[in-house]
Amino acid sequence: EAQVTQNPRYLITVTGKKLTVTCSQNMNHEYMSWYRQDPGLGLRQIYYSMNVEVTDKGDVPEGYKVSRKEKRNFPLILESPSPNQTSLYFCASRSGGGYEQYFGPGTRLTVT
Amino acid sequence: KQEVTQIPAALSVPEGENLVLNCSFTDSAIYNLQWFRQDPGKGLTSLLLIQSSQREQTSGRLNASLDKSSGRSTLYIAASQPGDSATYLCAVLNSGGYQKVTFGTGTKLQVIP
Repeated sequence: EAQVTQNPRYLITVTGKKLTVTCSQNMNHEYMSWYRQDPGLGLRQIYYSMNVEVTDKGDVPEGYKVSRKEKRNFPLILESPSPNQTSLYFCASRSGGGYEQYFGPGTRLTVT
Repeated sequence: KQEVTQIPAALSVPEGENLVLNCSFTDSAIYNLQWFRQDPGKGLTSLLLIQSSQREQTSGRLNASLDKSSGRSTLYIAASQPGDSATYLCAVLNSGGYQKVTFGTGTKLQVIP
């Protein structure tokens, strides 16, 4: 089954404790993205990747890092999480050109 | 910078009514526009994708149109059902070297039995 998976689905952590949210897709897609969703602000793109070792900032990259060492994986790293990073995070992927995006189920992160 | 607006923010209709959701964007340099639905606390489900060269797409009771020159898209839902209750989001894939995606803030739809 074609899908985008994220782990963990729920995470509660404390300020400053490094964490990684994993994202994996099995569709051999070139493009992958991370978004955060906040009430009243909608979905905003954090980082995206056009292929292995090619990444770029979205609209809200501060406080986040990404890497793309393999085509299928695109982890999101929070080196020193802060409470303002409490949010619902989505990973997405799509093939090259103007094809539709496929979204993961989301990761609900709470930073206390 | 691309801005995407969805009006209305919320909509309540009786079951069986036909309805139109609106999405407008400020920069017409886009690859495509995609409509999603999101149920509370859930992920995004893709409904329709319209390429920039297309005028409309249809899937079942859903029809989406795109007028790139005026920066507008509509999602038409025929014969609405309570199961259509969800938040509907539009997203544009911006053209250019970086291909960023910009989402609207959504329309929350309630279909009353």
